[in-house]
Amino acid sequence: SQQGEEDPQALSIQEGENATMNCSYKTSINNLQWYRQNSGRGLVHLILIRSNEREKHSGRLRVTLDTSKKSSSLLITASRAADTASYFCATDDRGKLIFGQGTELSVKP
Amino acid sequence: GAVVSQHPSRVICKSGTSVKIECRSLDFQATTMFWYRQFPKQSLMLMATSNEGSKATYEQGVEKDKFLINHASLTLSTLTVTSAHPEDSSFYICSASRRDRGNYGYTFGSGTRLTVV
Repeated sequence: SQQGEEDPQALSIQEGENATMNCSYKTSINNLQWYRQNSGRGLVHLILIRSNEREKHSGRLRVTLDTSKKSSSLLITASRAADTASYFCATDDRGKLIFGQGTELSVKP
Repeated sequence: GAVVSQHPSRVICKSGTSVKIECRSLDFQATTMFWYRQFPKQSLMLMATSNEGSKATYEQGVEKDKFLINHASLTLSTLTVTSAHPEDSSFYICSASRRDRGNYGYTFGSGTRLTVV
């Protein structure tokens, strides 16, 4: 089962621009995580934000969480061509990670 | 850091045959392992959760007799796709959670691309 929606489904930007991806979820959560997947590869954990946190930073990544709206956003600043990948949010549902639909990000040099 | 090794990375098999995919946690003991399936341009769908020494818990709609999961040790889980058909062609990914990190310490394998011809 999928947890929720992500938008946009696809995003194409120029190098140096910022990329914002949004995620909505349905159930109560303990935390929300963002992952990155390069084409045909496994997933890489990017960042985790707990339900009692509203914002978190890690390098060029900024994640926000609004539990009242059941939504989260991932901002990648100063994007690079190497950021081209699919990005997924995931919620921990009683010990199981459930993923959103994902956003396919393309950063053009 | 935690590493999960998944093999094979690619496999092509004939329709009707069975394929086994292995998932190993190399430097930690995995209390729980998860198996996901991913179709092109789509998200990961959880197929089943396996705990060491017990039967796997399958998600709704996943045929347990077709996708056999064995979690014989704290470092190894296997997924066997039995009597594979072309519609089983997909990208399969395993994930392991660490015993000492609670529910949110997940590490993913690099995935297995299965093509059934």
